[in-house]
Amino acid sequence: DQQVKQNSPSLSVQEGRISILNCDYTNSMFDYFLWYKKYPAEGPTFLISISSIKDKNEDGRFTVFLNKSAKHLSLHIVPSQPGDSAVYFCAASPSTQGGSEKLVFGKGTKLTVNP
Amino acid sequence: DTAVSQTPKYLVTQMGNDKSIKCEQNLGHDTMYWYKQDSKKFLKIMFSYNNKELIINETVPNRFSPKSPDKAHLNLHINSLELGDSAVYFCASSHRGWAGELFFGEGSRLTVL
Repeated sequence: DQQVKQNSPSLSVQEGRISILNCDYTNSMFDYFLWYKKYPAEGPTFLISISSIKDKNEDGRFTVFLNKSAKHLSLHIVPSQPGDSAVYFCAASPSTQGGSEKLVFGKGTKLTVNP
Repeated sequence: DTAVSQTPKYLVTQMGNDKSIKCEQNLGHDTMYWYKQDSKKFLKIMFSYNNKELIINETVPNRFSPKSPDKAHLNLHINSLELGDSAVYFCASSHRGWAGELFFGEGSRLTVL
């Protein structure tokens, strides 16, 4: 039972263009969402998060959008750079408090940014 | 200075053996975790542990056990290894009660033959 779905296993974009990575969730109790980035042979690293009280959070080139009614969030990277090439994991939690043991991850989307 | 380090990074062993993966964090966090990334690429939590509470994912076989000698260490012991245990195991840490940013180790790839 996949509570967090990343339906695109891979995405390829040109350097300088926008990358849009999508994530859907099924559990209406989720109210805190995160994106992690993972390079090969490394552990995932936290990228950006959003609480359900917001619909947008921006950090430099990275913006996360949340559509609660559609149970959908997306990560926009503008402009994309070759160094952004990595696997991006979407994750969701039922609360900002209560422990990360409730964090649920998607399968990840492999982003390739071509020079 | 590596924040969360785990050893070994690669482990190849035979079915039926017992093995351990060690994890150490120098971030001063009070909660540590073990995650498993299987062949389908899902990252699934196995355990979360602080000095007061061990929370076990009910799907984890009891052949897997966490051992924490102190706050900065959480080792993973696996008894009677099976083929299906082959995966990448990630250690992570965070502050207790914060369902947000986890700091992960580099992962330990376990191959059971």
